[in-house]
Amino acid sequence: QVQLVESGGGVVQPGRSLRLSCAASGFTFSNYDMHWVRQAPGKGLEWVAVISYDGSNKYYADSVKGRFTISRDNSKNTLHLQMHSLGVEDTALYHCAKEGPYSPHAFDIWGQGTMVTVSS
Amino acid sequence: QSALTQPASVSGSPGQSITISCTGTSSDVGGYNYVSWYQQHPGKAPKLMIYEVSNRPSGVSNRFSGSKSGNTASLTISGLQAEDEAHYYCSSYTSSSTLFGGGTKLTVL
Repeated sequence: QVQLVESGGGVVQPGRSLRLSCAASGFTFSNYDMHWVRQAPGKGLEWVAVISYDGSNKYYADSVKGRFTISRDNSKNTLHLQMHSLGVEDTALYHCAKEGPYSPHAFDIWGQGTMVTVSS
Repeated sequence: QSALTQPASVSGSPGQSITISCTGTSSDVGGYNYVSWYQQHPGKAPKLMIYEVSNRPSGVSNRFSGSKSGNTASLTISGLQAEDEAHYYCSSYTSSSTLFGGGTKLTVL
């Protein structure tokens, strides 16, 4: 079935780095733009980044620009988020989400998320 | 990139209708017909309920409807049911990014 499964979360000290992954299955991964969306504990959704279907275009939220890098490997149906200079404000459940097919800016499939906790 | 504005909470009794508003600016909600609504139950991933202001994905009940006027979008749920109790988030495309609302907790009394 169509699904997204995130991994790579954990507890990390402020200033350190972490790399998240999202494994896609059940659809043609290379046809769709992919996003990362995070949710701090007890808070709402915050869009983080998007990468185009072929990896040629990437955009970031101001809060992570210059620290996070989104990438994808279409040969392995995998999405990544490299996070550097992590701060306590980055503590959140990180979801990957797929765009389309209904609309280019609606997320029809979400993963359950991987938790990132930034703490000393 | 300020979040879209939603009421923190709304409530209604079974069978009633409720409306959740989502207010942005002419740069996001008012400027594009790319407003979506998501339902999130505790501990679950968000679920797409409405896309492009007023369209329902396959499998979503027709009790859910969306609309937009100027810089404000709205989600209406008619014939409230107990399982509708959840958080609801609006989102809008804006110049190469996506903005979410702060979320609204719907309580079915």
